[in-house]
Amino acid sequence: ETGVTQTPRHLVMGMTNKKSLKCEQHLGHNAMYWYKQSAKKPLELMFVYNFKEQTENNSVPSRFSPECPNSSHLFLHLHTLQPEDSALYLCASSPSGGQSSYEQYFGPGTRLTVT
Amino acid sequence: GENVEQHPSTLSVQEGDSAVIKCTYSDSASNYFPWYKQELGKGPQLIIDIRSNVGEKKDQRIAVTLNKTAKHFSLHITETQPEDSAVYFCAPKGGSYIPTFGRGTSLIVHP
Repeated sequence: ETGVTQTPRHLVMGMTNKKSLKCEQHLGHNAMYWYKQSAKKPLELMFVYNFKEQTENNSVPSRFSPECPNSSHLFLHLHTLQPEDSALYLCASSPSGGQSSYEQYFGPGTRLTVT
Repeated sequence: GENVEQHPSTLSVQEGDSAVIKCTYSDSASNYFPWYKQELGKGPQLIIDIRSNVGEKKDQRIAVTLNKTAKHFSLHITETQPEDSAVYFCAPKGGSYIPTFGRGTSLIVHP
């Protein structure tokens, strides 16, 4: 619907597992974002990529490792997560230059449960 | 960085009433003021936005008003309907292309 897709939509993983979240957009945007949304907490910006270069890392633990191979794809690699990492992980994209509106387009999110 | 406060955190209204959510920000360079709506099981989606050279914008039952002097902008929803029930976020944008999201307002419209 929004032009941003995320897979998988739901993920259950143990603390010793390694998994990856995928995000894809074909809107021609140059900036892509990962957010974490926990219950009763605000949206937390995790990482920002602009033209495939990481421009923001908001003190995210190293057990979260982002990858942006091109402007259309964004990954979040997960390993040795903790139960408190259980949350909805949202990907977004936006234009990043000129006089554009900077509206963010969000994917539906991946609901992650760490057991 | 930008400090954003959004009030109230929860708003409960009867169907047909009006709802107003306020967002205050700190960065005087902010020039883009959007409101997002997040329904259950979905990511936030833009519902209305305003730029710094405009004081008010309307789109059917929703409107956004901006007071740059006081550094706040508000979302107004008239004739609320049950399908307006959702979480609403403001996300003012300052000098960077990266917005700062408010903590969200949970709007509940009772039939």
